[in-house]
Amino acid sequence: SQTIHQWPATLVQPVGSPLSLECTVEGTSNPNLYWYRQAAGRGLQLLFYSVGIGQISSEVPQNLSASRPQDRQFILSSKKLLLSDSGFYLCAWRHSGEGLTPGWTEAFFGQGTRLTVV
Amino acid sequence: SQQGEEDPQALSIQEGENATMNCSYKTSINNLQWYRQNSGRGLVHLILIRSNEREKHSGRLRVTLDTSKKSSSLLITASRAADTASYFCATDALTSYDKVIFGPGTSLSVIP
Repeated sequence: SQTIHQWPATLVQPVGSPLSLECTVEGTSNPNLYWYRQAAGRGLQLLFYSVGIGQISSEVPQNLSASRPQDRQFILSSKKLLLSDSGFYLCAWRHSGEGLTPGWTEAFFGQGTRLTVV
Repeated sequence: SQQGEEDPQALSIQEGENATMNCSYKTSINNLQWYRQNSGRGLVHLILIRSNEREKHSGRLRVTLDTSKKSSSLLITASRAADTASYFCATDALTSYDKVIFGPGTSLSVIP
């Protein structure tokens, strides 16, 4: 069966420090991968998604970047954190659209990382 | 943006009552899905309805889709305290199905 791992669960970082959040998926190949951010009591904001190794689509220009060095690994990074980067970060995957009609299946989420920038 | 608003933003009901949440979107879609999120956790998929479907059931859940109005509703019947959570709808655009866009969600409180 497929599983998704996201870590760490909580993180407190000072302003100006770097960030690296990692997400890995097991039990599937060539998944679509997603990074979302959720402010307290709010909806999910799509930050990045990837349909393949090295392919990153950025939805919101900001202080963050994403990379996909391996098929089932998705990394969210920042060189210098801002206070406004605080939030709940969620990684998700779903099967790619290949072979499926009309297109896609449900997304499976990790348990999230609560980032507090102080 | 592709996604509109969900309403209500917050809903409080007594156990046993039905809960109805609505979702609106702006662009043509392939599918619409509903997810549930317990406080501080990841989202869990509840139900998917395709653009050519009008209604779908899963246990105590009933989802409707009106593509002419670009809206969907989620009905939870005979609610339980354990249904307390936030509920989100998500869509993909007809022309960019790789993107999964979520609405702002409805916070449901079921009072025992």
